[in-house]
Amino acid sequence: AQTVTQSQPEMSVQEAETVTLSCTYDTSENNYYLFWYKQPPSRQMILVIRQEAYKQQNATENRFSVNFQKAAKSFSLKISDSQLGDTAMYFCAFMKHQTQGAQKLVFGQGTRLTINP
Amino acid sequence: GAGVSQSPRYKVTKRGQDVALRCDPISGHVSLYWYRQALGQGPEFLTYFNYEAQQDKSGLPNDRFSAERPEGSISTLTIQRTEQRDSAMYRCASSLYSGVEQYFGPGTRLTVT
Repeated sequence: AQTVTQSQPEMSVQEAETVTLSCTYDTSENNYYLFWYKQPPSRQMILVIRQEAYKQQNATENRFSVNFQKAAKSFSLKISDSQLGDTAMYFCAFMKHQTQGAQKLVFGQGTRLTINP
Repeated sequence: GAGVSQSPRYKVTKRGQDVALRCDPISGHVSLYWYRQALGQGPEFLTYFNYEAQQDKSGLPNDRFSAERPEGSISTLTIQRTEQRDSAMYRCASSLYSGVEQYFGPGTRLTVT
């Protein structure tokens, strides 16, 4: 079974700073996907960024980027130029690759990120 | 188009009552998932469907929990004889067949008193 671990329960930074959230996972699969989801106070689940394990290049979405280290089974999220609206709970998630059909997401425990003005 | 919708958004029920939670996926999304999220935790998988077929129900905690999707669209998660430990946010998500990205609904917050 796959497990996802987020070792930082809470983090706090000043607006405009850069912050990195950590995530490690355990799997015997070779092909899979990794995700970061954001859950703001509204408690919606919003996909921030995703990474395919077969791609060596790290994914980037505007101010959000990942550092994917497959051998170390590490998948950290970097938020540059942080904004007040980035305040949220952030979840790292894993999904096995399957050629047909869907697959469940396995989530970490979350990191509560606060951006201070 | 419209996103995933869930109803009710909030449900308070007394211990021992049955509850039914509804999920209406994005139109055209074949796959539908149910997750449960306790306060301060990440969502945990319960079950999922492709079309009307329940493909995996390994995450359902016990036989008080069941789910159906009879016409391959709307799904209902039913909890019988509710207990206080069932209190949580119940989230539904949908995706295209073999779709990697799951789109989440707003959730139903269930409180069992």
